[in-house]
Parts: sequence; structure tokens; C-alpha cells
Amino acid sequence: EAEVAQSPRYKITEKSQAVAFWCDPISGHATLYWYRQILGQGPELLVQFQDESVVDDSQLPKDRFSAERLKGVDSTLKIQPAELGDSAMYLCASSRGSGKQYFGAGTRLSVL
Amino acid sequence: QKEVEQNSGPLSVPEGAIASLNCTYSDRVSQSFFWYRQYSGKSPELIMSIYSNGDKEDGRFTAQLNKASQYVSLLIRDSQPSDSATYLCAVNLYGGSQGNLIFGKGTKLSVKP
Repeated sequence: EAEVAQSPRYKITEKSQAVAFWCDPISGHATLYWYRQILGQGPELLVQFQDESVVDDSQLPKDRFSAERLKGVDSTLKIQPAELGDSAMYLCASSRGSGKQYFGAGTRLSVL
Repeated sequence: QKEVEQNSGPLSVPEGAIASLNCTYSDRVSQSFFWYRQYSGKSPELIMSIYSNGDKEDGRFTAQLNKASQYVSLLIRDSQPSDSATYLCAVNLYGGSQGNLIFGKGTKLSVKP
């Protein structure tokens, strides 16, 4: 069964450092999403891509977060500099077009 | 502010019982509705989708949608300890790949043997 691949699974960093997360969606899925989930909350959208284009990044803190999907396949989410409040699970999801989104295993970020 | 509301629980049911999970949403024009299951420390797993009023059944799961009341529910029949997880309700204003999902905070379900 095809899966959304994410790496790393866990990341520990110190505040003010840069971190990057990688996502490879299910093959053929044109839409890719990055979510952030704080413990006890539901996932919240950070950015949505349709192929290589950003569709929605209204909730992305652009002073420190950036996201790209240069060839319309895999994607990278970067935080620079990381802050203590960025500690969360970062989830990548993809969709073919039905609206059903399938999530990767996520990256658990701890900022010390 | 588009909102999706769920009772955070925990909802505790005995093994073999029916678990009923509820969700309300604020935007009347919402088009598509999803239930995700999330085990502790894991990522959300899609278990049900529903787009029109009424019931949709898949194995032990039934999703129910009432757009007039802006209410969606998930019933789990013959609950098993392995069903113990947090269930997330998610709503999209649009159908297809347009828009994005607005999630509730989730309801934690505990099934006691």
C-alpha cells in the first residue's frame, strides 16, 4: 500500500537553529499539505501545494517558515530560526483530488 | 472563524458496546466531512468520509451527516480495545482537492475489556 514518506521521524534542536523536514507524497497525488499538530489539538494547515504552486500559505509564519515543492513531487518545510513554541508534530498529507487526505508518519520536533 | 467542535472526552465504553462520537461545524456551506483515527504518538488515519445527508456504513463504522443541523457523527459498533484512540472530525468547505481540512480537537475513546 502506497504511503506518504516523511523524514526525519524525530528531531531535537536548540532554539535559534535551523531545521528542515522532508515529505514524499503518494505517487500521483498532485496536492500536498503540511500541517502542525500541537499535543491535545487537531492538525492545523501550514501550507497547501497544487503541483509546484502554493495554493494556501495564509497560516504559515513566513518570517521563519518556508516551504517548497520545486518539481511538484517531494517537498521540504524549513524553520529558521526555531523557537520553543515550534515544538510540535509536523505532518505531511497528500491527496489525488477526491479531497481524501492521507498522512505520513510525521516528524516530532522538540526545541530546547 | 471556521470551527469544528468535538467533545474532548474521554469517552469510555465497554467492549462490545456502541461508541457514539459527535461533531458540529460552524460553516453551513461545508461540503465534505471526514473522520480520522489517531493512536497516541501516531499520525491521523482516514477511516470514513461522507458528503451527503444520511448514513454511510463501512464495516463496524457508520458515519452520519445532517447538514441542516451542521452535525456529523461516527458510530463504532462492537467496540474493541484496539479502537481506543483519539477520533478527529475534519471538515472542508469544498469538495475535491479544493480548500483544506479544518480539524476538531478530537475525542479520546477508551474501550474497556
